[in-house]
Amino acid sequence: SQQGEEDPQALSIQEGENATMNCSYKTSINNLQWYRQNSGRGLVHLILIRSNEREKHSGRLRVTLDTSKKSSSLLITASRAADTASYFCATDKITDKLIFGTGTRLQVFP
Amino acid sequence: EAGVVQSPRYKIIEKKQPVAFWCNPISGHNTLYWYRQNLGQGPELLIRYENEEAVDDSQLPKDRFSAERLKGVDSTLKIQPAELGDSAVYLCASSLEAGAYSSGANVLTFGAGSRLTVL
Repeated sequence: SQQGEEDPQALSIQEGENATMNCSYKTSINNLQWYRQNSGRGLVHLILIRSNEREKHSGRLRVTLDTSKKSSSLLITASRAADTASYFCATDKITDKLIFGTGTRLQVFP
Repeated sequence: EAGVVQSPRYKIIEKKQPVAFWCNPISGHNTLYWYRQNLGQGPELLIRYENEEAVDDSQLPKDRFSAERLKGVDSTLKIQPAELGDSAVYLCASSLEAGAYSSGANVLTFGAGSRLTVL
């Protein structure tokens, strides 16, 4: 079963624009992570935000978490063609399994 | 440092045939996961190992799937016999033991996956 749902399912933008994708989940969590998956490859960890944090930055990435709404957003600023990939949120409770969402497919056109 | 290594990368078999996938995790990572990813979906956990012990195999279809992690390092996932619906990418991932991160989170490192096509 999948805990999270990403929105939108697919997103197409031009290089230089910002990309925002959202994740909603169903049950309480301890941590939320975002992963990227390039076509035909495994997933790569991008960023982790704890349940007591509201916002976190890493380079061009900004993640927000609203536990009252059970939702998170991932913002990629000044997107590049190399950002083209699928992005997944994943949630867990302490020492429990990591459950992935359904993913957002991002296409960045040069 | 080598990442998580999986083989084979691609496998095409006919239904009812057996198939096996192999995974070598990152050195020092005690926790190993097998996920299945269907086309256009997120990965779904099949089984999780802490060292050589399977601590969560609730999603593993035990009638045809089996897994082992001998000596707590490499792991093999087997399907016998394969069905058409087993066509998917089988992802292996590893992490430090649960609780090793200050947040208690498990940050996973994934292999490139094994793409299975059952005809």
